[in-house]
Amino acid sequence: KAGVTQTPRYLIKTRGQQVTLSCSPISGHRSVSWYQQTPGQGLQFLFEYFSETQRNKGNFPGRFSGRQFSNSRSEMNVSTLELGDSALYLCASSFEGAPQETQYFGPGTRLLVL
Amino acid sequence: GQSLEQPSEVTAVEGAIVQINCTYQTSGFYGLSWYQQHDGGAPTFLSYNALDGLEETGRFSSFLSRSDSYGYLLLQELQMKDSASYFCALPGGSYIPTFGRGTSLIVHP
Repeated sequence: KAGVTQTPRYLIKTRGQQVTLSCSPISGHRSVSWYQQTPGQGLQFLFEYFSETQRNKGNFPGRFSGRQFSNSRSEMNVSTLELGDSALYLCASSFEGAPQETQYFGPGTRLLVL
Repeated sequence: GQSLEQPSEVTAVEGAIVQINCTYQTSGFYGLSWYQQHDGGAPTFLSYNALDGLEETGRFSSFLSRSDSYGYLLLQELQMKDSASYFCALPGGSYIPTFGRGTSLIVHP
């Protein structure tokens, strides 16, 4: 089975721009979660999508948004980029997103905001 | 909210046993997970404990005490490739999934 894939792997943007990141979950997985990882704040949960609906949301401003398509692929968007948005963005998939399920992480998209 | 505390760094020698502790605070407990992350890599799932006691998976074991809000990851027969960051985490359930800040394990020859 192919793993979780994320595109692009690296991205450089300037302040004020917007960015869209993509995540393709493992085939058959319907839950996709997004995380931001920085040296200062660690791994922080952004949101989770299940069957095209946002099921859970972390404490991030509205500039961070996401969506999920009928094939379970997910995108996240960050508008009006700030320097502090520079981070590794990880997505993770699982079958139904239940607490006891293994989350499989993708390799991440490393975003640098200049 | 939820929070987890774990040591920032642990060092050990090859072949030894090391224990990484994790204490947590939550209003609703759904289990405690452990993840490994090598530099530049993605987190990979190691174990999940929902009930008290020890879960063993090869060289890795994880322990949970719900009454103490405490768990640990035990790594035996340490190898150089075990040098990585280890995270304890509280899965979402009704709450936001929360990860500890991570413990950097350095294995010396």
